[in-house]
Amino acid sequence: GQNIDQPTEMTATEGAIVQINCTYQTSGFNGLFWYQQHAGEAPTFLSYNVLDGLEEKGRFSSFLSRSKGYSYLLLKELQMKDSASYLCAVRGQGGSYIPTFGRGTSLIVHP
Amino acid sequence: DADVTQTPRNRITKTGKRIMLECSQTKGHDRMYWYRQDPGLGLRLIYYSFDVKDINKGEISDGYSVSRQAQAKFSLSLESAIPNQTALYFCATSEADEQYFGPGTRLTVT
Repeated sequence: GQNIDQPTEMTATEGAIVQINCTYQTSGFNGLFWYQQHAGEAPTFLSYNVLDGLEEKGRFSSFLSRSKGYSYLLLKELQMKDSASYLCAVRGQGGSYIPTFGRGTSLIVHP
Repeated sequence: DADVTQTPRNRITKTGKRIMLECSQTKGHDRMYWYRQDPGLGLRLIYYSFDVKDINKGEISDGYSVSRQAQAKFSLSLESAIPNQTALYFCATSEADEQYFGPGTRLTVT
């Protein structure tokens, strides 16, 4: 099975940088995803990491350390519209290769 | 037009009623999924299908059934709804890695 842990809630100021952490324990590893979900809306894909290191995509970056079972999502130049839940999902090994989602981190950006 | 659609978007039903939630996609993906989302519990997998003749139970399949009528259509049924099935339900599709989610169906069972 898989165990995924992320903070329940975080707050940050507009224009600042915030790092959302995700730690996981899994039998085998086959990739880690980050999704953004605004309240009452569908999750939308942000990033996918399968190798160690940092992947940068505009204001958002995602980091993975497989040996530590650790990832983070870094959001720069925060905007009010970044207020949302951020879901970490881990894909283990096994026939289905379907990711398991963490409980999500609710990020509140204030002026 | 949206790539993944769900109907209805909102539904209120009574305990014991049968209800079907429908999902359609125009992405041409073989893989389709049904999730439920409850406050504080994240997304949990109910059923998934990798092609028209393939149906698999997920983490929380009890009380639910599914039908894959075509590559583009995947329906979720609650045979006898109960109040603890009140939740936000999402359909999703994928080709390999990234999943694409529908807008969700908010179901309330009274």
